[in-house]
Amino acid sequence: IAGITQAPTSQILAAGRRMTLRCTQDMRHNAMYWYRQDLGLGLRLIHYSNTAGTTGKGEVPDGYSVSRANTDDFPLTLASAVPSQTSVYFCASSDSRGGAGTGELFFGEGSRLTVL
Amino acid sequence: GQSLEQPSEVTAVEGAIVQINCTYQTSGFYGLSWYQQHDGGAPTFLSYNGLDGLEETGRFSSFLSRSDSYGYLLLQELQMKDSASYFCAVRDSAGKSTFGDGTTLTVKP
Repeated sequence: IAGITQAPTSQILAAGRRMTLRCTQDMRHNAMYWYRQDLGLGLRLIHYSNTAGTTGKGEVPDGYSVSRANTDDFPLTLASAVPSQTSVYFCASSDSRGGAGTGELFFGEGSRLTVL
Repeated sequence: GQSLEQPSEVTAVEGAIVQINCTYQTSGFYGLSWYQQHDGGAPTFLSYNGLDGLEETGRFSSFLSRSDSYGYLLLQELQMKDSASYFCAVRDSAGKSTFGDGTTLTVKP
């Protein structure tokens, strides 16, 4: 069982370049999320999607975009990377149905991005 | 918006009991979750409280008081492998979770 697969696992990127972080889940969860985690801090929500075809903004959406063309895939794009976007990016999914249940988040192993 | 407060560090010895507190200010509160993260790896779910009271899962328990906007994670019979970061997270009615900055637990022999 793969769960959540993220790619790449790490990347060094020049400022101004475009980058897409890929996220795929095989659990058929309806909701997916992108978080960033800066050193020593908690996870901050960038964007989320409660179901295929819909997306929403989290706490720190600026400079990022997402799409949810189908249930399994939720790519995160940095249109023009800046050094402040250096972080670890975690994709997550949950079987979230209007708030019912525990809303347990299943996380990928993270993508470590360095913008120079 | 949401904000959560939890201690940045806690140290305890093997076999002891430790409590990690979490206070929150939020709108649209739905429940409080706890996650564990080892060495910057993938966070893993530990427990969830949607109602007031205590939830027990093996050596871990979690408590919630909605009226006090307060919860805690209780770890019993500490083991070296429990050394990790622990995050409380508030879940809102839309299903989104907001995380605290985490508590680093160090278990000493």
